[in-house]
Amino acid sequence: KAGVTQTPRYLIKTRGQQVTLSCSPISGHRSVSWYQQTPGQGLQFLFEYFSETQRNKGNFPGRFSGRQFSNSRSEMNVSTLELGDSALYLCASSLEAGPAYEQYFGPGTRLTVT
Amino acid sequence: AQKVTQAQTEISVVEKEDVTLDCVYETRDTTYYLFWYKQPPSGELVFLIRRNSFDEQNEISGRYSWNFQKSTSSFNFTITASQVVDSAVYFCALSEGVNDYKLSFGAGTTVTVRA
Repeated sequence: KAGVTQTPRYLIKTRGQQVTLSCSPISGHRSVSWYQQTPGQGLQFLFEYFSETQRNKGNFPGRFSGRQFSNSRSEMNVSTLELGDSALYLCASSLEAGPAYEQYFGPGTRLTVT
Repeated sequence: AQKVTQAQTEISVVEKEDVTLDCVYETRDTTYYLFWYKQPPSGELVFLIRRNSFDEQNEISGRYSWNFQKSTSSFNFTITASQVVDSAVYFCALSEGVNDYKLSFGAGTTVTVRA
């Protein structure tokens, strides 16, 4: 069974631009979560999606948004990029919503904002 | 306030030594889940264990063992007879409630095992 895939793996953008990251969950998984990892703030929760609905959102500005499609694939978008948005963005999927189900992480997308 | 505290930033040991990673959490929920993840240099987080707040039984999986104590809000992780392949960053995480998958991670402990 294929794992969680994230595209692209590496991305370089300029301050002020916008970016879209993609996540394909494990086949059959309906819940997708996103996390941001930076050296300064560590791992921080961004969003959780289940059945195309955002169930939870972390403490991030409105420039960070996401969505989930009917096939459970998810995208996250960051508009008006800032230098501080440089980070590893991790996507995770689980069979159903809720922590009773094991969550599998993808390899991440490394975003660099210059 | 930090919900998960991993007091040890870095631990360096020689192969075959035991390593214990501390994790202290804070929550007002009666139902919650605790996790340990391993992040090798490749960057991908690898799930190690999940424990819910009603299951205080300690667990052993091969060279890994976990000690969950609600009385001290701790969920410590021990690697017995460490190997070079155990070198990684280890994260403890907390998810509060039963419906939401909203992990609060600790800062992580970098474990370096020297041959």
